[in-house]
Amino acid sequence: EVQLVQSGAEVKKSGESLKISCKGSGYRFSNHWIGWVRQMAGGGLEWMGIIYPGDSDTRYRPSFQGHITISADKSINTAYLHWSTLKASDTAMYYCAIGPAAGRYFDFWGQGTLVTVSS
Amino acid sequence: DIQMTQSPSSLSASVGDRVTITCRASQSIESYLNWYQQKPGKAPNLLIFAASSLQSGVPSRFSGSGSGTDFTLTISSLQTEDFATYYCLQTYTTPWTFGQGTKVEIK
Repeated sequence: EVQLVQSGAEVKKSGESLKISCKGSGYRFSNHWIGWVRQMAGGGLEWMGIIYPGDSDTRYRPSFQGHITISADKSINTAYLHWSTLKASDTAMYYCAIGPAAGRYFDFWGQGTLVTVSS
Repeated sequence: DIQMTQSPSSLSASVGDRVTITCRASQSIESYLNWYQQKPGKAPNLLIFAASSLQSGVPSRFSGSGSGTDFTLTISSLQTEDFATYYCLQTYTTPWTFGQGTKVEIK
């Protein structure tokens, strides 16, 4: 059974750093793109970026590039979303998701990680 | 970036109604269009991939059509459990982009 388990909710202050995680199981981790999606309170879904753990090929949405870093450690089947300097506007729910090896969509999602950043 | 314009932003419908939601891409995305359902407090759930392929386990009352720039999600007979927010997602090229969402509410 495919599972994506995300790390727990975080409460941080503006200017702090943060790394949240997404651990995959039940599939060949290296062979599936993993993406991150942001959802602000009451808002829609925003695609942030994706990584292919097999070769660490990473793509970002331009508006997020430089503010976040997406990485993956295939030795422990875990992907990460990292901020070096949080802003209050980063307050949101963050989802990781994967797609099929040969497809271009997300078909399994993590449960979400709520990040709250106070100013 | 490819812009996805989804409409309507919300609609009210009754159980048994036929519901149609549309997504228009700012350029051709061939058939790289997917539909998701999201209920409050939950992660999105894939309904349709590649414009018209029904995801395993999804009821057959859901269907998708279109190619190029214009796409449609149809719910043939709305059920109580279908009241939710629906999003399209283009995956033709990165950055992938979601539509703004359509909230389906009870009339």
